[in-house]
Amino acid sequence: GESVGLHLPTLSVQEGDNSIINCAYSNSASDYFIWYKQESGKGPQFIIDIRSNMDKRQGQRVTVLLNKTVKHLSLQIAATQPGDSAVYFCAEKDSRYNFNKFYFGSGTKLNVKP
Amino acid sequence: NAGVTQTPKFRVLKTGQSMTLLCAQDMNHEYMYWYRQDPGMGLRLIHYSVGEGTTAKGEVPDGYNVSRLKKQNFLLGLESAAPSQTSVYFCASSWDSTTEQYFGPGTRLTVT
Repeated sequence: GESVGLHLPTLSVQEGDNSIINCAYSNSASDYFIWYKQESGKGPQFIIDIRSNMDKRQGQRVTVLLNKTVKHLSLQIAATQPGDSAVYFCAEKDSRYNFNKFYFGSGTKLNVKP
Repeated sequence: NAGVTQTPKFRVLKTGQSMTLLCAQDMNHEYMYWYRQDPGMGLRLIHYSVGEGTTAKGEVPDGYNVSRLKKQNFLLGLESAAPSQTSVYFCASSWDSTTEQYFGPGTRLTVT
């Protein structure tokens, strides 16, 4: 996952706009990826996952895109709402490990302006 | 279902004191994990368990011990707290090694 030091990158969007949050992962052998949402003072919450045999997966208002060639993952949120304001981070896993070891990025802070 | 719960939510310790953080899950998950989250960094795995009675070290195990005496509970112990252990601690659980992890609400620990 990405390492961005002490300060998280921030994405500010207007309510109703679409948001795109990016994640560069490091291990070319990673084959399972998850996006988590973490609101202030709370634990991470699962949003959507994707396995490496897919390049796109859609959920409710969210889409994850996987580009294995450049080791890049993105999360698209449609019609962003104030309740979407949170830190979003990706997690990658190499399934050759049998204890479910994930590597977590430090995240991107999404600010939704009303 | 309550999911994954953690106690306490907040704690302040003095250097050298000990404490135990409790994690409980009611989803009958086999796997449980303890992570720490520090500013600007991703979650780092401290210890994990693949079933009742088993524990193993993660990436940052030093200064911590764990126990999984019951399937639903995973305890994280700090025998002699140090300021470097100031962090937010998250417990998580999963069905097995192939599925997503469900996280608790976290414990904010400050060591002075």
